[in-house]
Amino acid sequence: ETGVTQSPTHLIKTRGQQVTLRCSSQSGHNTVSWYQQALGQGPQFIFQYYREEENGRGNFPPRFSGLQFPNYSSELNVNALELDDSALYLCASSSRGLTRDEQYFGPGTRLTVT
Amino acid sequence: TQLLEQSPQFLSIQEGENLTVYCNSSSVFSSLQWYRQEPGEGPVLLVTVVTGGEVKKLKRLTFQFGDARKDSSLHITAAQPGDTGLYLCAGRSNYQLIWGAGTKLIIKP
Repeated sequence: ETGVTQSPTHLIKTRGQQVTLRCSSQSGHNTVSWYQQALGQGPQFIFQYYREEENGRGNFPPRFSGLQFPNYSSELNVNALELDDSALYLCASSSRGLTRDEQYFGPGTRLTVT
Repeated sequence: TQLLEQSPQFLSIQEGENLTVYCNSSSVFSSLQWYRQEPGEGPVLLVTVVTGGEVKKLKRLTFQFGDARKDSSLHITAAQPGDTGLYLCAGRSNYQLIWGAGTKLIIKP
């Protein structure tokens, strides 16, 4: 059973650019949630995807968007990057219908915006 | 806006000592989870508490959910250097988790 993987591990972008982060969910999981974790803070919920549709969103602007694919992997896209977007982006997979509370996190992508 | 406040933010103690970390909110949560996060890694789930007053034990770690399901505590007995890490609490509210800012714990040998 493979765990949650994320790519890339680290990324440096310039303000105004666009970025795509990727997440492969754990085998058997159909739900992916994305979180932003600023340095010294707890994770902040961005959105969740279930069966390829957005299923809940936190307090993030529309320039944060996502996709979920038929194999349940997911992408997080951020347009018009701002300096405050610098953070660790975490993806978590879970299996809706079973133990909804158990989310398994990937190692994260460290995004630096300069 | 739902908030979870963790205290203390930082704790550095000697090996063998006991400690308690608190997670407080004015909101009621359907469940509350505790995670541990190491540098460069994602959070790892330690426990989920669901019922008000529930107590769960994981070796030297004892987790308690408040009677009103608004607060929780994590108690570590005889702390060891391997317990060092960032401890996060998260309350479930509908489809999302509301997270505390974490307690950075350092256990010195």
